[in-house]
Amino acid sequence: QKEVEQDPGPLSVPEGAIVSLNCTYSNSAFQYFMWYRQYSRKGPELLMYTYSSGNKEDGRFTAQVDKSSKYISLFIRDSQPSDSATYLCAMSVQGAQKLVFGQGTRLTINP
Amino acid sequence: KAGVTQTPRYLIKTRGQQVTLSCSPISGHRSVSWYQQTPGQGLQFLFEYFSETQRNKGNFPGRFSGRQFSNSRSEMNVSTLELGDSALYLCASSATGFYGYTFGSGTRLTVV
Repeated sequence: QKEVEQDPGPLSVPEGAIVSLNCTYSNSAFQYFMWYRQYSRKGPELLMYTYSSGNKEDGRFTAQVDKSSKYISLFIRDSQPSDSATYLCAMSVQGAQKLVFGQGTRLTINP
Repeated sequence: KAGVTQTPRYLIKTRGQQVTLSCSPISGHRSVSWYQQTPGQGLQFLFEYFSETQRNKGNFPGRFSGRQFSNSRSEMNVSTLELGDSALYLCASSATGFYGYTFGSGTRLTVV
């Protein structure tokens, strides 16, 4: 079983919809939680990071971490075609110097 | 502010050869990590360097090695290439070493 599980999709939604992306994890030592967006033929781009539990909002993006359930989410409001990409969750343990990634969810926003 | 620069962008090598990939981190970032990305395994951690010292290493064979120079630039080397080494190799830099990594666009290695 992988440390971080993420549904690879693909996920296709109409423009303007609210998108929900999720990851579950098994390592309770994870303390930093990140979401990356990766466009085709590009490296991952950091969208948001959260330390420990709670919510964080940045524009149309909201990240949630529920450590008790070992579950993290990314919500995208008013989705745009430019949001079409692969979204990767990543986690790390303080002091471990490495990120553990989910498989990535391929998202398509249809105009 | 310049991002993470990786060279070359594309590389084709023959089985048995060796290859060296280069990474220039964001100015001021002393932590550099390398990841391998494949369709089947996703992104997997190779190793991390901080101030020229390897602090962490992933579960890859000894054919994969790296180093970091005093200016924080890093190289990774893969010897005796195998077909399964075909992947996108990503370099990432960070000020802290455990979150907030910025990735480069990667080097696409194809082994034939």
